[in-house]
Amino acid sequence: EVQLVESGGGLVQPGGSLRLSCAASGFTFSSYEMNWVRQAPGKGLEWVLYISGSGSTMYYADSVKGRFTISRDNAKNSLYLQMNSLRAEDTAVYYCARVCSGDCFDAFDIWGQGTMVTVSS
Amino acid sequence: QSALTQPRSVSGSPGQSVTISCTGTSSDVGGYNYVSWYQQHPGKAPKLMIFDVNKRPSGVPDRFSGSKSGNTASLTISGLQAEDEADYYCCSYAGSYTHYVFGTGTKVTVL
Repeated sequence: EVQLVESGGGLVQPGGSLRLSCAASGFTFSSYEMNWVRQAPGKGLEWVLYISGSGSTMYYADSVKGRFTISRDNAKNSLYLQMNSLRAEDTAVYYCARVCSGDCFDAFDIWGQGTMVTVSS
Repeated sequence: QSALTQPRSVSGSPGQSVTISCTGTSSDVGGYNYVSWYQQHPGKAPKLMIFDVNKRPSGVPDRFSGSKSGNTASLTISGLQAEDEADYYCCSYAGSYTHYVFGTGTKVTVL
């Protein structure tokens, strides 16, 4: 079964750090571009980070640039999100999402269940 | 990069059709045929319903269809069913810098 499972969320103080993980299974992880998408409580979806299949190319939303880092370990079939200098407005459910391939372009066809990050003192 | 604009809510009776608009700019929706739509039920992860403007992944009912004209994309749900009640988000590729932008989201209510 194709699956993404996030972990690592929790409560962190403003200015703190947290590292999220996303474990992939059921597909050739290295062949797919991956993203992190977040959703603040009661709000809409917001794309935040992208990484290519090889890990050589990354893109960041302006809201997290300089604070968040996306990375991947294809040998471990895992995606990571390192979050530093966290702010209250970073409070959200964080989803990892796979970019489709084949005759499909730039759509997220597989999503994890999400992990909640709460930034509060 | 501003979010794509969607109506906050639409509603319809079972069996009716509803259409959700998604308005962007020539830098996103109007510039690429890479618009996708997602359905999200409360407390659940989003689910891909439409990709590349008007294509359906396997398993998505053909009641769901997509289209685009200029800077506005649309999702139409025909033959509305109770299980279609959910939030719907559009998303567009927006170039190598911004990369992706989501819509503001639309709540579909089945009366």
